[in-house]
Amino acid sequence: AQTVTQSQPEMSVQEAETVTLSCTYDTSENNYYLFWYKQPPSRQMILVIRQEAYKQQNATENRFSVNFQKAAKSFSLKISDSQLGDTAMYFCAFITYNNNDMRFGAGTRLTVKP
Amino acid sequence: DVKVTQSSRYLVKRTGEKVFLECVQDMDHENMFWYRQDPGLGLRLIYFSYDVKMKEKGDIPEGYSVSREKKERFSLILESASTNQTSMYLCASLRREGGNTIYFGEGSWLTVV
Repeated sequence: AQTVTQSQPEMSVQEAETVTLSCTYDTSENNYYLFWYKQPPSRQMILVIRQEAYKQQNATENRFSVNFQKAAKSFSLKISDSQLGDTAMYFCAFITYNNNDMRFGAGTRLTVKP
Repeated sequence: DVKVTQSSRYLVKRTGEKVFLECVQDMDHENMFWYRQDPGLGLRLIYFSYDVKMKEKGDIPEGYSVSREKKERFSLILESASTNQTSMYLCASLRREGGNTIYFGEGSWLTVV
């Protein structure tokens, strides 16, 4: 079975500093997509960033970037210049090209402190 | 904008009742999902469907069933609700083209007493 593991249940960071959230996954497939989703207190899920496994270049979206290590099956999220609005649950997720099921990790609760 | 609508936001049901959670999407997506979200456990996949009348078990299908009679509608059924099914249930649909974008409903909070 395909699994996603987030080993940090909670993290905190000072405003304007940088924080990295960890994610590992397990799959026997070679082609897949990886995602980070943010869930603020409103509970609405928001896509933060996406990475295609065949692309070697790490994805970047403004203050958000990933460190994708395919061989290690690792997909960490770096948030630079943290803002109070980044406070949320963050979920790592992935889906393979061949399967139709999208799996999520247990989440990391991030608190940005003023 | 894609819209995924879960008809019931908050429900309170009694143990043993049959519960229907309805989900409708308006973008002709083939793939739809039901997850439950619990603190510390993240989103766990209950069932998913990749076409009308097609369904696949996820990681925690016990106690649940689903129905996909029309492409736009994916229903989650609790045949006999139990207190351990108290949770938030999230429906989602997936657009495969352009990078696999998943769209979530607003969630259904179910309390079983």
